[in-house]
Amino acid sequence: AQSVSQHNHHVILSEAASLELGCNYSYGGTVNLFWYVQYPGQHLQLLLKYFSGDPLVKGIKGFEAEFIKSKFSFNLRKPSVQWSDTAEYFCAVKPLIYNQGGKLIFGQGTELSVKP
Amino acid sequence: GAGVSQSPSNKVTEKGKDVELRCDPISGHTALYWYRQSLGQGLEFLIYFQGNSAPDKSGLPSDRFSAERTGGSVSTLTIQRTQQEDSAVYLCASSLNRPGGPRTDTQYFGPGTRLTVL
Repeated sequence: AQSVSQHNHHVILSEAASLELGCNYSYGGTVNLFWYVQYPGQHLQLLLKYFSGDPLVKGIKGFEAEFIKSKFSFNLRKPSVQWSDTAEYFCAVKPLIYNQGGKLIFGQGTELSVKP
Repeated sequence: GAGVSQSPSNKVTEKGKDVELRCDPISGHTALYWYRQSLGQGLEFLIYFQGNSAPDKSGLPSDRFSAERTGGSVSTLTIQRTQQEDSAVYLCASSLNRPGGPRTDTQYFGPGTRLTVL
């Protein structure tokens, strides 16, 4: 069965620290990859996505992620976090069974707490 | 423009009652998805509608769950004879899914309906 694993359940950082959140998936075919963020009291928002091409993708608010196909990974990074980055982060994978559309398979989420 | 909207934002019901949750997708989006977010289970796919095609119901947890999408727009998720384990946040998402050209199937999520079954 297809699955997505996020290694860290809760990460606590001080402001200006660097962030890396791990995400691995199990699916042998072509995938689309996403990171979504859920700020406290808000709904899920798209942070960045990978469809094809350059495996290093940049998203909003200084976030980036790198797709490493050989490792089935799509880790999220930010060089310097801010208190406002406190949120829950979800990695999601969409197996390309269809040309477009289809369900997302989510990881369990990583709660990030940034201390001011 | 307007995003995905869901109603009600909160719903408290008694065990055994039926509930209906509504989703209004982004105008023009052809695909609509329902997910459930609960402690311990994370975000789970429930059902996916694409245009006039038969929906993908593979994520519905039991036959107490059903969903409709009328006129290719608004969708209603119905849970019959609710159980306490149905308590969760039910999320709706939509995507454009225009065939051909650049990919347009990024999913945009609504605020969710928090369902509490007493």
